[in-house]
Amino acid sequence: GESVGLHLPTLSVQEGDNSIINCAYSNSASDYFIWYKQESGKGPQFIIDIRSNMDKRQGQRVTVLLNKTVKHLSLQIAATQPGDSAVYFCAESPNQAGTALIFGKGTTLSVSS
Amino acid sequence: GAVVSQHPSRVICKSGTSVKIECRSLDFQATTMFWYRQFPKQSLMLMATSNEGSKATYEQGVEKDKFLINHASLTLSTLTVTSAHPEDSSFYICSAYREPYGYTFGSGTRLTVV
Repeated sequence: GESVGLHLPTLSVQEGDNSIINCAYSNSASDYFIWYKQESGKGPQFIIDIRSNMDKRQGQRVTVLLNKTVKHLSLQIAATQPGDSAVYFCAESPNQAGTALIFGKGTTLSVSS
Repeated sequence: GAVVSQHPSRVICKSGTSVKIECRSLDFQATTMFWYRQFPKQSLMLMATSNEGSKATYEQGVEKDKFLINHASLTLSTLTVTSAHPEDSSFYICSAYREPYGYTFGSGTRLTVV
């Protein structure tokens, strides 16, 4: 991911809306991707993952889409709730299993009720 | 599920002193542990990768003599910030990897150097 020291972009939505958070990753050889949620002062919390042999994966209220052609990852959150407010990061695993995750810039999601 | 405990959660130290942060995998033996640093409103930046019984691999720009990593067992890795300065103030996060659990993160340590 583009893990550089820039301020995080912000997405503001109303409660009940669907949210889409985007991420561009850098390494075309990456074969495993994870979305994390991070609340203030806490460590990252796993949301959903996807391998490069898939282009879509669904969880409870969340969907991850992978477009390897343009090296783009997105996280869709359905019926966004105030409790979803947090910073969201995509992370990629460049090579084999167990190598370090590289984190993207992150997006701050703000949900108003 | 897999749990990683990181301690302390917060620490304040004086400039010039050293601080040790512990990262423990509680219910599994980690193949590999990772240390990240996160400055306010920024992403997690990988500092080093650590395997039990071997020297850590540091990322470019991370001073290995300043950030000492000891991985003495499959369940414990420590990060010691030596001769800490205010610019070392940050949020430090560890992660442990083991199949089938994947990557499990600690809750982070807020270091403030005064």
